[in-house]
Amino acid sequence: QKEVEQDPGPLSVPEGAIVSLNCTYSNSAFQYFMWYRQYSRKGPELLMYTYSSGNKEDGRFTAQVDKSSKYISLFIRDSQPSDSATYLCAMSEGASKIIFGSGTRLSIRP
Amino acid sequence: DAGVTQSPTHLIKTRGQQVTLRCSPKSGHDTVSWYQQALGQGPQFIFQYYEEEERQRGNFPDRFSGHQFPNYSSELNVNALLLGDSALYLCASSHRRRDSPLHFGNGTRLTVT
Repeated sequence: QKEVEQDPGPLSVPEGAIVSLNCTYSNSAFQYFMWYRQYSRKGPELLMYTYSSGNKEDGRFTAQVDKSSKYISLFIRDSQPSDSATYLCAMSEGASKIIFGSGTRLSIRP
Repeated sequence: DAGVTQSPTHLIKTRGQQVTLRCSPKSGHDTVSWYQQALGQGPQFIFQYYEEEERQRGNFPDRFSGHQFPNYSSELNVNALLLGDSALYLCASSHRRRDSPLHFGNGTRLTVT
């Protein structure tokens, strides 16, 4: 079993829809939770960074962490074609090694 | 404010050869981590450097080695290349503070033939 599980998709939704992306994990020692967006031929770009459980909102993006269920989510409101990319969840125990999910490919249809 | 820069962007090597990849961290960052990303997969941690020493290592063989220089820049070396080493190699930088997230470069695409 992988430490971090993420549905690879692809996920296709119409423009303006709310997108929900999720990951589950097995290591209860994870304290830091991140979402990265990766466009084709580019490096991952940090979207959200949270510590421990709870919600964090930044513009159209909301990240949720439920440590009791070992489940994290990213919601994208009013999705745009420019949001089409691969979304990677990531988590770590501390400041060093980060474990990534395999990524979910998202396509927003105009 | 320059982000993380990596060179070269693309590289083609033959099995058995050696390769060196380079990374300059984001301004203000002192820690460099290297990741390998195979096609369709998430990045896999190779190792992390700060204060010019390897501090943590992932599940990669000794063919993978690195170095960090006094200006915080870093190199990744891979010896005796295998076809399976073909991947996108990503450098990420951060500050040693626990709450400092990783910022990635755009990677070096290595193809081994």
